Amino acid sequence: KNEVEQSPQNLTAQEGEFITINCSYSVGISALHWLQQHPGGGIVSLFMLSSGKKKHGRLIATINIQEKHSSLHITASHPRDSAVYICAVRPQGGSEKLVFGKGTKLTVNP
Amino acid sequence: NAGVMQNPRHLVRRRGQEARLRCSPMKGHSHVYWYRQLPEEGLKFMVYLQKENIIDESGMPKERFSAEFPKEGPSILRIQQVVRGDSAAYFCASSPRSGFGTQYFGPGTRLLVL
Repeated sequence: KNEVEQSPQNLTAQEGEFITINCSYSVGISALHWLQQHPGGGIVSLFMLSSGKKKHGRLIATINIQEKHSSLHITASHPRDSAVYICAVRPQGGSEKLVFGKGTKLTVNP
Repeated sequence: NAGVMQNPRHLVRRRGQEARLRCSPMKGHSHVYWYRQLPEEGLKFMVYLQKENIIDESGMPKERFSAEFPKEGPSILRIQQVVRGDSAAYFCASSPRSGFGTQYFGPGTRLLVL
């Protein structure tokens, strides 16, 4: 079993829909990252969370440390949001390495 | 402020050759991380370096792979005697500090081994 599980693996939405992508992890963490990988392959860091909630534009990320769960929400989705969204955690214990989920492929149709 | 730079963006090698992948971190960043993304798989940590030091190489294959981050110049990921299974996208990320620093990713190097 992977330490970081994402759901769904694939998601297709219509423009304007509210999107939720989930991430569950099985280890204690010091931080959780949400990343976006564009169709061309480039990776952008969206959020880094250790508690609570963060918002940037139409993107909202939440984390529940007790339940070992995080969600990424996209409001008023747009075709340009089409990408793979990746959850990654930094395990506790002083390690700097990130452990990644397999990603959620989002397609937003016009 | 230029972002993380990687070169080459695409690299084709024949089996048995050497591959050298370069990563220039963002200005002011002294922490570099290398990750590998195999086809149809998620990203996997390989190695974490600070200037002139390897801090964590727990994700590096035991043979043929090495990494360095010299005092001057880019970080280098070196793969000797490449095999077809080394074909992957290799991403470098940098951060200004350890701990809770956000990692900024480069565009990646796509390595194809023929």
